[in-house]
Amino acid sequence: EDKVVQSPLSLVVHEGDTVTLNCSYEVTNFRSLLWYKQEKKAPTFLFMLTSSGIEKKSGRLSSILDKKELFSILNITATQTGDSAIYLCAVLKGAQKLVFGQGTRLTINP
Amino acid sequence: DAGVIQSPRHEVTEMGQEVTLRCKPISGHDYLFWYRQTMMRGLELLIYFNNNVPIDDSGMPEDRFSAKMPNASFSTLKIQPSEPRDSAVYFCASSSSGEAETQYFGPGTRLLVL
Repeated sequence: EDKVVQSPLSLVVHEGDTVTLNCSYEVTNFRSLLWYKQEKKAPTFLFMLTSSGIEKKSGRLSSILDKKELFSILNITATQTGDSAIYLCAVLKGAQKLVFGQGTRLTINP
Repeated sequence: DAGVIQSPRHEVTEMGQEVTLRCKPISGHDYLFWYRQTMMRGLELLIYFNNNVPIDDSGMPEDRFSAKMPNASFSTLKIQPSEPRDSAVYFCASSSSGEAETQYFGPGTRLLVL
């Protein structure tokens, strides 16, 4: 059975801290791994990772994939209250099927 | 583009009633997905269509759930009869073959079955 496991499930930090969110997977027909941010509404796309070891960056967010160890991390540096959200990891298998993890609920306190 | 449009945004119904959720994908997108999100199970794919044809419905929980896509700009997800455990947020998403990995999600329909 396909599995995508995120940790921690919940995280509370202070503004300015750096956080690392984890995602491990066991999925057949792996094609790529995606990160989404969800703030009380629909998930919005952050990154797509297909190759191991290549870091994707967008501002204070960065992510990397390890296809040998079957995991990915999402880093957020200098966190802000606007980063508070649920962060979802999903694996794309086959042509179009996304398998999501449970999500990490991140809370940034001022 | 208006993005993926879903209606209604909120639905409260009583157990046993029929519920119909509606979705209009982004124009030009040839894939459409229905997801369900609950606290217990997270975000789960229920069914997806390609060019209006159902491709994978293995996530549909049981026979009470059915989905149709009569044309490229409209899809429905029906629950009949509804049960309290169907309470969840139902998302519709769409994507195009040329950008297969990026699915654009609608705002969701929050369903409460009493």
